[in-house]
This record gives sequence, C-alpha cells and structure tokens, in this order.
Amino acid sequence: GIQVEQSPPDLILQEGANSTLRCNFSDSVNNLQWFHQNPWGQLINLFYIPSGTKQNGRLSATTVATERYSLLYISSSQTTDSGVYFCAVIKAAGNKLTFGGGTRVLVKP
Amino acid sequence: DTAVSQTPKYLVTQMGNDKSIKCEQNLGHDTMYWYKQDSKKFLKIMFSYNNKELIINETVPNRFSPKSPDKAHLNLHINSLELGDSAVYFCASSRFSNTGELFFGEGSRLTVL
Repeated sequence: GIQVEQSPPDLILQEGANSTLRCNFSDSVNNLQWFHQNPWGQLINLFYIPSGTKQNGRLSATTVATERYSLLYISSSQTTDSGVYFCAVIKAAGNKLTFGGGTRVLVKP
Repeated sequence: DTAVSQTPKYLVTQMGNDKSIKCEQNLGHDTMYWYKQDSKKFLKIMFSYNNKELIINETVPNRFSPKSPDKAHLNLHINSLELGDSAVYFCASSRFSNTGELFFGEGSRLTVL
C-alpha cells in the first residue's frame, strides 16, 4: 500500500509564529486532504488539494504531485491551532484514504 | 444540520458484550466508511460501502460487522467486545469511492472494561 509520512511528528510554537508541516507520499495520488483534529477529537477538513496551492485565512497548502509531497503552512499561529494535523491520500486507481501519522502541534500563549 | 452524524458519541461497556454504532449522512454521498483511531492517534480504514455494496474490507476481526440499509446509513456492530476494541471509531462519507473529499463524523469513543 501507499506510505504517507508526516514531519515533524511534534511541534511547539509560540503564539504568532509561522510554521510548515510536510507530508511525503510514496505513490501517485488522486486525492490529498489535510485535516486538523482539535483537542475535542473532531476531524476538521482543512484542504482538499491533490495538486496546486490553496489558501484559507492563515492557512495555506501546496501539493507538488510530481514530487510526491504536500506542505501545510500555518501563519501567525494561535492557541486554537493546537491539535494534530493529518495528511491523507488516495492512491491513483485506489479507493482507500490512507492517513499519515500526524503532526502534533502545541501553540503556547 | 450535521453532515455526518454518529451515535452514540460515548460508549462504555463490559468485555463480551455486543454493541452497535450508527452513522447517517445527509450529503447525498454514495460512499461511506468506518475508520478506527487507536490510542496513538493512528487512523486506519476498516470498511467502505458504495451504494450499499461493500467495497473495502480491511483485515478486521469478523466480530465487526458493518451494515448499510441504504446509502445514507452505515452501522457498525461489534460482537463479543474485547479490551483491544477500545478506540475512537469515525464514520465518513464521500461522493465517489476513488476520489473526492471525505467528510468525517465526530467520532464514537468506545471503552471496553
């Protein structure tokens, strides 16, 4: 199956800092999503981004499908950004959304 | 209106019992899923149904039996619960089975004592 690796595994930020989370995947994909799991356990859709760049407020994401990676940028981080960020992909010609191990983010006030 | 809703949100039960978790989606999607999140937060697919037909069945003990009465509902029944079944179970749906965005329910936290 496809391998999805996220880095770093843990990230501690001071409020207001910027950061970049990375997702590498081992095969061609036709679906890539970024999720935020908040401290209450909810999985929030951030981006559906199999290729290209998207922005939503302080968050943006870029997927370079030919090089098999995606980046999630958090700017001016806030304490509410704390939680676990997951990247998940569906392999081309596949039908399973496979998750990476997540990046645990803690934003300190 | 919640797009993907699961009940119950919390379930505490004894080993050996049988329990069910229900899931409903009002997005008009064709495909529904069950995922399991373990204590280390790793999310793994268990089952997927497309228009009531089982299309993904991962290596899951046969004590777990999904049922899809219609394409808007996917229920998970678990027989003879074991301690290792304690986890958070997430239901999800998507318009298509091989692409398109997945939307998740809020999760059902199962604790087996």
